[in-house]
Amino acid sequence: KAGVTQTPRYLIKTRGQQVTLSCSPISGHRSVSWYQQTPGQGLQFLFEYFSETQRNKGNFPGRFSGRQFSNSRSEMNVSTLELGDSALYLCASSWGEEDTQYFGPGTRLTVL
Amino acid sequence: GEDVEQSLFLSVREGDSSVINCTYTDSSSTYLYWYKQEPGAGLQLLTYIFSNMDMKQDQRLTVLLNKKDKHLSLRIADTQTGDSAIYFCAESMGPSNTGKLIFGQGTTLQVKP
Repeated sequence: KAGVTQTPRYLIKTRGQQVTLSCSPISGHRSVSWYQQTPGQGLQFLFEYFSETQRNKGNFPGRFSGRQFSNSRSEMNVSTLELGDSALYLCASSWGEEDTQYFGPGTRLTVL
Repeated sequence: GEDVEQSLFLSVREGDSSVINCTYTDSSSTYLYWYKQEPGAGLQLLTYIFSNMDMKQDQRLTVLLNKKDKHLSLRIADTQTGDSAIYFCAESMGPSNTGKLIFGQGTTLQVKP
């Protein structure tokens, strides 16, 4: 069974631009969670989607948004990029609420 | 509160056992996890334990949970150079906080040949 895939793997953007990252969960998984990983703040939860609905959200500004499609694929969008948004963005999928999360390889975003 | 603490660095010799420790604060945690991250990669699930268990063994990995002290440990037997990586413990936040894991800062394991 294929694992969680994320595209693109690397992105370079400039301040003020916006970016969209994509995540395809493991087949059959309906929950997708997103995390930001930085050296200073570590791994921080962004949001979680289940059956196309955002069920949970972390403490990030409104510039960070996401959505989930009917096939459980998910995208996250960051608008008006700031230098501090440079990070590894990880998505994880699971069957449902409290099930084990399996992570993708991440998208490395660099904001110049 | 939501807080998970880990020591930052551990160095062992190849063939020795490694023990990585973690403390957490949220008593409503249902599952506790150990993930491994190699350079440039995502998180690989190693093992997990349900909060009403004391111990779980999975090949070279042994997880011990002391719920009273909110202390979790991961023991790796016969540590190999390929085990060199960052290890994260994480707690799930229960059904009222779906899809959210709280991670520790990660412990860098260095295995010397």
